[in-house]
Amino acid sequence: GEDVEQSLFLSVREGDSSVINCTYTDSSSTYLYWYKQEPGAGLQLLTYIFSNMDMKQDQRLTVLLNKKDKHLSLRIADTQTGDSAIYFCAEMGADDKIIFGKGTRLHILP
Amino acid sequence: ETGVTQTPRHLVMGMTNKKSLKCEQHLGHNAMYWYKQSAKKPLELMFVYNFKEQTENNSVPSRFSPECPNSSHLFLHLHTLQPEDSALYLCASSPGGEGTYEQYFGPGTRLTVT
Repeated sequence: GEDVEQSLFLSVREGDSSVINCTYTDSSSTYLYWYKQEPGAGLQLLTYIFSNMDMKQDQRLTVLLNKKDKHLSLRIADTQTGDSAIYFCAEMGADDKIIFGKGTRLHILP
Repeated sequence: ETGVTQTPRHLVMGMTNKKSLKCEQHLGHNAMYWYKQSAKKPLELMFVYNFKEQTENNSVPSRFSPECPNSSHLFLHLHTLQPEDSALYLCASSPGGEGTYEQYFGPGTRLTVT
C-alpha cells in the first residue's frame, strides 16, 4: 500500500542548514508536498513539487526529488529559531488522495 | 491567517453528548476536507467534498457525520464518541478540479472525549 516515511526528530544548530528527508512508495505520485505545523496551529503548506521536476527553490527552502529512489528532501538554509516546528512530507497519488508521513520534529539548538 | 477558520478551537465532550465542528473558508474554493490527527499517527483523511458533493468517505465510523451545505461551509457532527476519538480535527480546502493539489488548512479543533 501507499506509505510515506520520515525520521521523527532532527536537531540543528541555529544558522546551519537543516535537511529533512522523506521516502514514499507510490511511483504514480503526481505532487509531493512539505507542510509545516507550529504548536497549536494547523498544517501550513510550505512548498510542493510536481513529479516531473527534480528541484525547486524558494528563498531559504530547497526541495530535491529523486524519483528513481522515491526520495524527497527539504533543505532549510540558515535555520532560525522560528523554523522550530513539525515538518510533514506528503504525496498525492493518481487517485488525488494525499498521504502524509508522521512528521519530523525540527529542534533548533542555540 | 490561511483563509480557513474552524470553531471551536477546543472541545471537551462526554461520550453521550452531541456536538458539531464548524469549518469556513474564505478562499472561493470548491473542495473541502476533514482530517484527523492523532498522536504518533500520520494525518488521516476522513471526508472530501467537491462542489458540495461527498466524494470520499475513508471508512469513517458513522458516529462522525459530515455536512456541506455550500462550498464555503463544512460541518462535522459528532455523537456517541469514544475516548480514542480524541484528536486534532483539521479542515482544509482547495480550489477543486485541476487545482486540487493545493490544500489550505485551518487551525484545527482539539477534541477531548471523556
